Formats: sequence, C-alpha cells, structure tokens
Amino acid sequence: SQQGEEDPQALSIQEGENATMNCSYKTSINNLQWYRQNSGRGLVHLILIRSNEREKHSGRLRVTLDTSKKSSSLLITASRAADTASYFCATDAQLETGANNLFFGTGTRLTVIP
Amino acid sequence: DSGVTQTPKHLITATGQRVTLRCSPRSGDLSVYWYQQSLDQGLQFLIQYYNGEERAKGNILERFSAQQFPDLHSELNLSSLELGDSALYFCASSVVPSTNSPLHFGNGTRLTVT
Repeated sequence: SQQGEEDPQALSIQEGENATMNCSYKTSINNLQWYRQNSGRGLVHLILIRSNEREKHSGRLRVTLDTSKKSSSLLITASRAADTASYFCATDAQLETGANNLFFGTGTRLTVIP
Repeated sequence: DSGVTQTPKHLITATGQRVTLRCSPRSGDLSVYWYQQSLDQGLQFLIQYYNGEERAKGNILERFSAQQFPDLHSELNLSSLELGDSALYFCASSVVPSTNSPLHFGNGTRLTVT
C-alpha cells in the first residue's frame, strides 16, 4: 500500500496545549498534504508541502517533512475545542497505469478538551 | 462550503440491490475522484475521472462502476450490494488531475446495507 500512516491513532489534549501528529509513508513522494475531517463531514485541505520543502506554516499550523525518514509531522499550536477532528495525511503515489493519485492514511483522532 | 455537492446524504438499502450516488464538482473543476471510507479501511481511492474520461483506478470492485458526464457531474453505481459495502462514499474534485493541488471534498453519502 502507498498509504501514509498517522501516529498516534488518537490524541486528547487540553485547550491551549499544542498537538503533534505524525505521518509515515513508504515510497518517494512529490508532495504531502494534510486534511481535517470533522465528524461525518468531508475532508478539508489544510496544507501542502512539497518534497523539496522542510517546513511550512499556515496560521496555527506547522508542517515539517523529512524525506530521508519518509515522515511528516503536523503541529497545531494553542489548540481550541473547534480543532477537535480527525487529521489525515495524503501522499501522492503512482498507480500501475502510470497516473499519480493521492492516498490517505487512517488518520489521527484529535480531541481538544475545553 | 467546498462547492462539491453529493446526493443523497443517506441511503439505506438491502443486500443484492443497486444504488447510484451522484456528485457535482466544484465550479470550474474538471477532475472528479471517488473515495470510500469505512471504519476498518480508512479512506480508499476508488476511481478518478478527468473531463469525462476515466483517468485512474484504485481499489474499485467489479460490482462498482462510475462515469463522468459532459456537464462534469459524476455518478458512482454500486450493484449486488453486500453488508461490507456499508461506508461513507466521498466525491472530491480538483481543477486538473494533479496531486500538486488540493482536493475539494463533498460531505459524502452514507450508505447502509442491511
């Protein structure tokens, strides 16, 4: 499978704390994306980091990428109750047809306690 | 609001039946993707279309088929349904079929097979 795998599977923190989620993948990538999914809703794109980038910021989000270790991390600073959701990493991989596509991990379920 | 519309939101049907899920992509997006999300399998890529043509296939069963129409909306047909087909089915769209741009997801169709 080309999927990324998130770690931990579940994370529970107090409001105001930082949350860190990790993603590991198997093959070389062109880019890696992070998505958020609120319960029962569609996924929402958060950030894209390219293989030649090491770190990227967007508001309270910080993403790092280590291609030598085939891993990425998502840091949410000063968490809020509204950050409660599942977070997925998605990596691009080549199918047998030669087309590239996004493959998602199984997600980290984040609960932020008010 | 992602701009991607999926209907119906919920579908309950019996084993052996056939259903059709519909997706209208975001305005201007030419590429449509179908994903299946179940509790034990995470988010699985099924199939991708671009401007009416099938572009990539993932873990899509032979009992499942899809198409993208000239107006760019897409339908996913599931036949000879089994209990294990119960899942959330998501449609996503993007401007072009590139993994270098984010996917915009609909809120999904929850299929329950009894």
